[in-house]
Amino acid sequence: GAGVSQSPRYKVAKRGQDVALRCDPISGHVSLFWYQQALGQGPEFLTYFQNEAQLDKSGLPSDRFFAERPEGSVSTLKIQRTQQEDSAVYLCASSLSREGTGTDTQYFGPGTRLTVL
Amino acid sequence: AQRVTQPEKLLSVFKGAPVELKCNYSYSGSPELFWYVQYSRQRLQLLLRHISRESIKGFTADLNKGETSFHLKKPFAQEEDSAMYYCALSGRGGSEKLVFGKGTKLTVNP
Repeated sequence: GAGVSQSPRYKVAKRGQDVALRCDPISGHVSLFWYQQALGQGPEFLTYFQNEAQLDKSGLPSDRFFAERPEGSVSTLKIQRTQQEDSAVYLCASSLSREGTGTDTQYFGPGTRLTVL
Repeated sequence: AQRVTQPEKLLSVFKGAPVELKCNYSYSGSPELFWYVQYSRQRLQLLLRHISRESIKGFTADLNKGETSFHLKKPFAQEEDSAMYYCALSGRGGSEKLVFGKGTKLTVNP
């Protein structure tokens, strides 16, 4: 079946512009995660949704970052007033979320590469 | 504090040689440990997890709680193993965020 998809795959923004990154998780997956991967680094957690509820946003670096998943499926990560340090690959992952079976496998999308000039 | 350390940024071996990618972790409690792999121009994907105790593509990893390590090993490396490898940990729950190391780029030379 279809995996996690993300759009756009590449985004170039001028400093100060707002951007919106989209994630389509695997159908039926309850949990959705956003990660930020800077060049030469591993992915770093940003935020987590279970259905439409944002249960953890501890990794969002500033109040310029906002994520939503209003209907419990597609999610959007919005970055306001982009800065050069926001340049990174933004990864989305989804998982089934079956309680009591250990941590579910997270399936990753291809990522959106954001470049802020 | 939750932390994953992969001391080698780059690792180069010849085809047929043994390979070991090192991973050490810091976590208060009993984490789950994973190895993720990213082949060239492909997305990040799960290679193996310690709880499964399985061998995938000839790779194995043993959790050593005393040394807080989860090293990835393969006795005979193949050229197609060339990729970026990330060690990660999470808490033990249905849905838990992953904490990743910085990754090791493995190159298997012919």
